[in-house]
Amino acid sequence: QQQVKQSPQSLIVQKGGISIINCAYENTAFDYFPWYQQFPGKGPALLIAIRPDVSEKKEGRFTISFNKSAKQFSLHIMDSQPGDSATYFCAATTGGGNKLTFGTGTQLKVEL
Amino acid sequence: GAVVSQHPSRVICKSGTSVKIECRSLDFQATTMFWYRQFPKKSLMLMATSNEGSKATYEQGVEKDKFLINHASLTLSTLTVTSAHPEDSSFYICSARDPGNGRDHEQYFGPGTRLTVT
Repeated sequence: QQQVKQSPQSLIVQKGGISIINCAYENTAFDYFPWYQQFPGKGPALLIAIRPDVSEKKEGRFTISFNKSAKQFSLHIMDSQPGDSATYFCAATTGGGNKLTFGTGTQLKVEL
Repeated sequence: GAVVSQHPSRVICKSGTSVKIECRSLDFQATTMFWYRQFPKKSLMLMATSNEGSKATYEQGVEKDKFLINHASLTLSTLTVTSAHPEDSSFYICSARDPGNGRDHEQYFGPGTRLTVT
């Protein structure tokens, strides 16, 4: 019940295209859903996060779509750039800043 | 703001020795820090939750006598890998919560420490 399932495992997108990464969860107690971006040899960096009381959040080229009834959320990267090539992790946690449950990661490559 | 540092960034040690990794919150006080381990092309695996002034809470399967965690102050947590073996070689990452900024769900990650045991 604590798992967060992430897909796809890897993704290749052309420059300027839209990258879409999907996550699904089971635990209805989760109330905070962040996305992290990780470059090789570096720690994860918080990209964008959403709470279940909204269905969409946009920050620049990054958008989270959230479907509470389906227990699914996704990251959309608009106008994907080669510099976006990295590994992306979705995560979920319950209130009070408890531990994060991470997805398995998606390796994104944006080609010219 | 919300910067977390780790030291060292890379360390090579001989089998049987111990190595200490430091995690610092540079511009905020972190009552809770987390230690993760990450294998190549894999997700982050939580090892333990470290609370300032109290004992760490270890995840199932993590040897508390092998991975010693100390959270002595609101800005510093340390992970000591004792009697290291080659299978302990990994990328160790810490994170910290900043409960003072009204966004207590957020965790800020350090840059990681690459440990190689020869």
